[in-house]
Amino acid sequence: ETGVTQSPTHLIKTRGQQVTLRCSSQSGHNTVSWYQQALGQGPQFIFQYYREEENGRGNFPPRFSGLQFPNYSSELNVNALELDDSALYLCASSQETTSETQYFGPGTRLLVL
Amino acid sequence: AQSVSQHNHHVILSEAASLELGCNYSYGGTVNLFWYVQYPGQHLQLLLKYFSGDPLVKGIKGFEAEFIKSKFSFNLRKPSVQWSDTAEYFCAVRANQAGTALIFGKGTTLSVSS
Repeated sequence: ETGVTQSPTHLIKTRGQQVTLRCSSQSGHNTVSWYQQALGQGPQFIFQYYREEENGRGNFPPRFSGLQFPNYSSELNVNALELDDSALYLCASSQETTSETQYFGPGTRLLVL
Repeated sequence: AQSVSQHNHHVILSEAASLELGCNYSYGGTVNLFWYVQYPGQHLQLLLKYFSGDPLVKGIKGFEAEFIKSKFSFNLRKPSVQWSDTAEYFCAVRANQAGTALIFGKGTTLSVSS
């Protein structure tokens, strides 16, 4: 069984740029959730995708957007990067939207200068 | 808004000491409760979860947690910690009537000395 994978592992961008992060869900999972984990904090929910549709969103501005593809992999896009966007971005997959367990990937560490 | 509070930011213990990490949440309805662990250099892993039934749940590596509904708490325990338990521990809540997001606490760093 393949686990959740994310790419890239690390990324450095400058303020105002745009970034795309990628996530491959675990085999058999159709739901992907994205979280932002700032240093010293717990993960914060950004949004969830279920069968290619957004299925819930946290308190993040519209410049955070996402996609889910027919193979259930997902992208997180962030436009007009700000310094405070520097964080670890985590992707989690699950079998259904209310599945018991979300399985997390290793994350992408984004640094905005 | 729902929130999760973890009382201890950093806990330092010697091997064989007992562990209890506190977690309280604010939500009046039905909840699912989780403890995740993040070992150094590794990704978040599920330790244990509570959905319903016996409020005392057992997880991996000898960890257990007790759900006390009247106190809105879900404390994590282990009778005897090992050096390999050094990690960051996160409590998380999912409110059943409020969507599917996991709400995490800020985490507790556990350092175990041998």
